[in-house]
Amino acid sequence: DSGVTQTPKHLITATGQRVTLRCSPRSGDLSVYWYQQSLDQGLQFLIQYYNGEERAKGNILERFSAQQFPDLHSELNLSSLELGDSALYFCASSVQGHTPEAFFGQGTRLTVV
Amino acid sequence: EDQVTQSPEALRLQEGESSSLNCSYTVSGLRGLFWYRQDPGKGPEFLFTLYSAGEEKEKERLKATLTKKESFLHITAPKPEDSATYLCAVRNRDDKIIFGKGTRLHILP
Repeated sequence: DSGVTQTPKHLITATGQRVTLRCSPRSGDLSVYWYQQSLDQGLQFLIQYYNGEERAKGNILERFSAQQFPDLHSELNLSSLELGDSALYFCASSVQGHTPEAFFGQGTRLTVV
Repeated sequence: EDQVTQSPEALRLQEGESSSLNCSYTVSGLRGLFWYRQDPGKGPEFLFTLYSAGEEKEKERLKATLTKKESFLHITAPKPEDSATYLCAVRNRDDKIIFGKGTRLHILP
Protein backbone atom coordinates (compact mmCIF):
# COMPACT_ATOMS: atom_id res chain seq x y z
CA ASP A 1 0.00 0.00 0.00
CA SER A 2 1.58 3.27 -1.18
CA GLY A 3 -0.56 5.47 1.06
CA VAL A 4 -2.11 7.28 -1.91
CA THR A 5 -5.87 6.77 -2.12
CA GLN A 6 -7.86 7.13 -5.31
CA THR A 7 -11.62 6.94 -5.64
CA PRO A 8 -13.54 5.49 -7.28
CA LYS A 9 -11.64 2.38 -8.42
CA HIS A 10 -13.90 1.87 -11.40
CA LEU A 11 -16.19 4.24 -13.29
CA ILE A 12 -18.42 3.58 -16.27
CA THR A 13 -20.09 6.52 -17.93
CA ALA A 14 -21.56 7.60 -21.26
CA THR A 15 -20.07 9.83 -23.91
CA GLY A 16 -20.65 13.51 -23.31
CA GLN A 17 -20.81 13.13 -19.54
CA ARG A 18 -18.63 14.70 -16.85
CA VAL A 19 -16.84 12.82 -14.05
CA THR A 20 -14.64 13.71 -11.09
CA LEU A 21 -11.77 11.55 -9.89
CA ARG A 22 -10.43 12.06 -6.40
CA CYS A 23 -6.98 11.59 -4.92
CA SER A 24 -5.78 11.76 -1.32
CA PRO A 25 -1.97 11.99 -1.16
CA ARG A 26 0.26 10.32 1.41
CA SER A 27 0.33 12.07 4.75
CA GLY A 28 2.88 14.90 4.58
CA ASP A 29 3.17 14.95 0.79
CA LEU A 30 2.62 18.38 -0.74
CA SER A 31 2.80 17.49 -4.41
CA VAL A 32 0.19 15.64 -6.47
CA TYR A 33 0.58 14.38 -10.04
CA TRP A 34 -2.09 13.10 -12.42
CA TYR A 35 -1.38 10.59 -15.19
CA GLN A 36 -3.40 8.84 -17.88
CA GLN A 37 -2.42 5.33 -18.96
CA SER A 38 -3.82 3.70 -22.06
CA LEU A 39 -2.60 0.65 -23.98
CA ASP A 40 -1.49 2.57 -27.05
CA GLN A 41 -0.15 5.77 -25.44
CA GLY A 42 1.49 4.42 -22.32
CA LEU A 43 1.71 6.60 -19.22
CA GLN A 44 1.02 10.26 -20.03
CA PHE A 45 1.74 13.03 -17.55
CA LEU A 46 -1.24 15.37 -17.25
CA ILE A 47 -0.57 17.91 -14.51
CA GLN A 48 1.23 18.49 -11.20
CA TYR A 49 0.15 20.56 -8.20
CA TYR A 50 2.35 21.62 -5.32
CA ASN A 51 0.77 22.91 -2.12
CA GLY A 52 -2.34 24.07 -3.93
CA GLU A 53 -0.63 25.69 -6.91
CA GLU A 54 -0.21 24.33 -10.43
CA ARG A 55 3.47 23.36 -10.84
CA ALA A 56 3.77 21.74 -14.25
CA LYS A 57 1.49 20.90 -17.11
CA GLY A 58 1.72 18.00 -19.52
CA ASN A 59 -0.57 16.79 -22.25
CA ILE A 60 -3.79 17.69 -20.52
CA LEU A 61 -6.78 18.32 -22.78
CA GLU A 62 -8.82 21.50 -22.41
CA ARG A 63 -11.81 19.30 -21.49
CA PHE A 64 -9.87 18.17 -18.42
CA SER A 65 -9.12 20.26 -15.36
CA ALA A 66 -7.70 19.64 -11.93
CA GLN A 67 -7.24 21.36 -8.62
CA GLN A 68 -5.61 20.77 -5.26
CA PHE A 69 -7.52 21.82 -2.19
CA PRO A 70 -6.21 23.32 1.11
CA ASP A 71 -6.28 19.87 2.74
CA LEU A 72 -4.01 18.75 -0.17
CA HIS A 73 -6.43 16.29 -1.73
CA SER A 74 -6.85 16.71 -5.46
CA GLU A 75 -9.60 16.23 -8.01
CA LEU A 76 -9.38 15.63 -11.74
CA ASN A 77 -12.45 16.70 -13.68
CA LEU A 78 -13.09 15.17 -17.08
CA SER A 79 -15.89 16.64 -19.19
CA SER A 80 -17.52 16.05 -22.57
CA LEU A 81 -16.18 12.53 -22.37
CA GLU A 82 -15.26 10.65 -25.52
CA LEU A 83 -14.66 6.95 -26.10
CA GLY A 84 -10.94 7.66 -26.38
CA ASP A 85 -10.85 8.95 -22.81
CA SER A 86 -11.27 5.40 -21.54
CA ALA A 87 -8.07 4.67 -19.63
CA LEU A 88 -6.51 4.15 -16.23
CA TYR A 89 -6.02 7.44 -14.40
CA PHE A 90 -3.29 7.47 -11.77
CA CYS A 91 -2.55 9.94 -9.06
CA ALA A 92 0.88 10.10 -7.45
CA SER A 93 2.24 12.17 -4.58
CA SER A 94 5.64 13.25 -3.34
CA VAL A 95 6.98 15.28 -0.47
CA GLN A 96 8.27 18.20 -2.51
CA GLY A 97 7.77 19.59 -5.98
CA HIS A 98 10.99 18.21 -7.41
CA THR A 99 11.18 14.98 -5.48
CA PRO A 100 11.20 12.09 -7.94
CA GLU A 101 10.25 9.46 -5.40
CA ALA A 102 6.58 9.72 -6.25
CA PHE A 103 4.20 7.16 -4.81
CA PHE A 104 1.35 6.07 -7.05
CA GLY A 105 -2.19 5.17 -6.13
CA GLN A 106 -3.97 2.11 -7.49
CA GLY A 107 -5.67 4.12 -10.20
CA THR A 108 -9.23 4.75 -11.39
CA ARG A 109 -10.30 2.74 -14.40
CA LEU A 110 -12.59 4.90 -16.52
CA THR A 111 -14.71 3.30 -19.21
CA VAL A 112 -16.65 5.57 -21.54
CA VAL A 113 -19.44 3.81 -23.44
CA GLU B 1 10.41 17.34 -28.93
CA ASP B 2 11.32 15.52 -25.74
CA GLN B 3 10.96 11.78 -25.97
CA VAL B 4 11.85 8.53 -24.28
CA THR B 5 12.29 5.24 -26.13
CA GLN B 6 12.61 1.94 -24.31
CA SER B 7 13.90 -1.31 -25.75
CA PRO B 8 13.20 -4.09 -26.07
CA GLU B 9 9.40 -3.90 -25.83
CA ALA B 10 9.35 -7.34 -24.26
CA LEU B 11 12.00 -9.67 -22.87
CA ARG B 12 11.80 -13.26 -21.70
CA LEU B 13 14.66 -14.60 -19.61
CA GLN B 14 15.37 -17.79 -17.75
CA GLU B 15 15.74 -17.47 -14.00
CA GLY B 16 19.35 -16.47 -13.29
CA GLU B 17 19.96 -15.14 -16.82
CA SER B 18 21.25 -11.56 -16.47
CA SER B 19 20.37 -8.88 -19.01
CA SER B 20 19.90 -5.13 -19.52
CA LEU B 21 16.98 -2.91 -20.46
CA ASN B 22 17.64 0.26 -22.45
CA CYS B 23 16.13 3.73 -22.17
CA SER B 24 17.16 6.28 -24.80
CA TYR B 25 16.10 9.86 -24.26
CA THR B 26 16.04 13.26 -25.89
CA VAL B 27 15.19 16.00 -23.43
CA SER B 28 15.54 19.75 -23.08
CA GLY B 29 17.40 20.26 -19.82
CA LEU B 30 17.38 16.93 -17.99
CA ARG B 31 16.25 17.35 -14.41
CA GLY B 32 16.26 13.66 -13.58
CA LEU B 33 15.77 10.22 -15.12
CA PHE B 34 13.56 7.79 -13.22
CA TRP B 35 12.98 4.06 -13.31
CA TYR B 36 9.73 2.52 -12.11
CA ARG B 37 8.39 -1.00 -11.92
CA GLN B 38 4.73 -1.69 -12.67
CA ASP B 39 2.85 -4.90 -11.93
CA PRO B 40 -0.38 -5.66 -13.83
CA GLY B 41 -3.35 -3.64 -12.57
CA LYS B 42 -1.23 -1.62 -10.15
CA GLY B 43 0.37 1.80 -10.02
CA PRO B 44 4.07 2.19 -10.83
CA GLU B 45 6.53 1.67 -7.99
CA PHE B 46 9.52 3.98 -7.80
CA LEU B 47 12.95 2.35 -8.16
CA PHE B 48 15.69 4.89 -8.93
CA THR B 49 16.50 8.47 -9.85
CA LEU B 50 19.64 9.43 -11.77
CA TYR B 51 20.68 13.03 -12.34
CA SER B 52 23.98 13.12 -14.18
CA ALA B 53 26.05 11.06 -16.63
CA GLY B 54 28.17 8.47 -14.89
CA GLU B 55 25.81 8.10 -11.96
CA GLU B 56 24.85 4.58 -10.85
CA LYS B 57 22.28 3.30 -8.34
CA GLU B 58 21.73 -0.23 -7.05
CA LYS B 59 18.93 -2.04 -5.32
CA GLU B 60 19.03 -5.79 -4.78
CA ARG B 61 19.35 -7.39 -8.24
CA LEU B 62 18.86 -4.10 -10.11
CA LYS B 63 21.45 -1.53 -11.13
CA ALA B 64 20.69 1.65 -13.07
CA THR B 65 23.29 3.62 -15.01
CA LEU B 66 23.14 6.88 -16.96
CA THR B 67 24.96 8.40 -19.92
CA LYS B 68 24.20 11.63 -21.76
CA LYS B 69 21.86 9.84 -24.16
CA GLU B 70 20.63 6.69 -22.47
CA SER B 71 20.13 4.76 -19.29
CA PHE B 72 20.41 1.06 -18.65
CA LEU B 73 18.67 -1.06 -16.07
CA HIS B 74 20.82 -4.11 -15.45
CA ILE B 75 19.17 -7.14 -13.90
CA THR B 76 21.53 -9.65 -12.34
CA ALA B 77 20.45 -13.26 -11.76
CA PRO B 78 16.74 -12.40 -11.99
CA LYS B 79 14.02 -14.34 -10.19
CA PRO B 80 10.42 -14.92 -11.31
CA GLU B 81 9.25 -12.19 -8.90
CA ASP B 82 11.20 -9.66 -10.98
CA SER B 83 8.66 -10.14 -13.77
CA ALA B 84 6.95 -6.80 -14.39
CA THR B 85 6.89 -3.86 -16.78
CA TYR B 86 9.81 -1.51 -16.23
CA LEU B 87 9.18 2.14 -17.06
CA CYS B 88 11.70 4.88 -17.70
CA ALA B 89 10.83 8.58 -17.43
CA VAL B 90 12.59 11.94 -17.63
CA ARG B 91 11.79 15.35 -16.19
CA ASN B 92 12.63 18.31 -18.46
CA ARG B 93 13.51 21.92 -17.64
CA ASP B 94 9.79 22.82 -17.51
CA ASP B 95 9.19 20.05 -14.93
CA LYS B 96 7.21 18.11 -17.50
CA ILE B 97 7.56 14.33 -17.06
CA ILE B 98 7.81 12.09 -20.13
CA PHE B 99 7.50 8.31 -19.80
CA GLY B 100 8.63 5.62 -22.20
CA LYS B 101 6.24 2.83 -23.14
CA GLY B 102 8.07 0.33 -20.98
CA THR B 103 9.74 -3.06 -21.27
CA ARG B 104 7.66 -6.08 -20.29
CA LEU B 105 10.01 -8.47 -18.52
CA HIS B 106 9.10 -12.11 -17.97
CA ILE B 107 11.38 -14.36 -15.94
CA LEU B 108 10.80 -18.06 -16.47
CA PRO B 109 11.43 -20.42 -13.51
